[in-house]
Amino acid sequence: SQTIHQWPATLVQPVGSPLSLECTVEGTSNPNLYWYRQAAGRGLQLLFYSVGIGQISSEVPQNLSASRPQDRQFILSSKKLLLSDSGFYLCAWRTSGGAADTQYFGPGTRLTVL
Amino acid sequence: GQQVMQIPQYQHVQEGEDFTTYCNSSTTLSNIQWYKQRPGGHPVFLIQLVKSGEVKKQKRLTFQFGEAKKNSSLHITATQTTDVGTYFCAGGVGGFKTIFGAGTRLFVKA
Repeated sequence: SQTIHQWPATLVQPVGSPLSLECTVEGTSNPNLYWYRQAAGRGLQLLFYSVGIGQISSEVPQNLSASRPQDRQFILSSKKLLLSDSGFYLCAWRTSGGAADTQYFGPGTRLTVL
Repeated sequence: GQQVMQIPQYQHVQEGEDFTTYCNSSTTLSNIQWYKQRPGGHPVFLIQLVKSGEVKKQKRLTFQFGEAKKNSSLHITATQTTDVGTYFCAGGVGGFKTIFGAGTRLFVKA
């Protein structure tokens, strides 16, 4: 069966510090991968998605970046965090191809920028 | 751009009452999915509807996809405290992206 991991679970960082969040998927090959951000009590904002190694599409211009160094690894980064970067970061995967658009979410990382 | 509007934003019900959340898309969708996010948790997939006019049931939950494939609803009969959470619809638009609604947060009072 497929599983998706995210770490860390929680993170408190000062403004201006760097960020690296990691997501890995097990039990599937060549998944589509997604990074979402959720502000407290709000909906899901798509940040990045990837359809393959090294292929990144950005949805919202901001100080975040994403990379996919391996098939089942997706990394979200920032060189300098802003207060507005606080939120719940969710990684999700979806099977590539086929009719199913179902996305499976990881447990998320709660980021607080102070 | 493509949007999926979801209403209401919040709903407070007494345990045992019914609950419905609605989604409307500005464009025709290839499918619609529904997710539930418990407080403090992550979204969990509930169901996907693909066919025009499709209706699916999961115990007390009934999901509908409109004939024009632009709207959908989730109806919960006789809510329980375990139904508390945020319900998201998400529209498949072809390609790699899914457009999520803003969610309806359900509060159930025992």
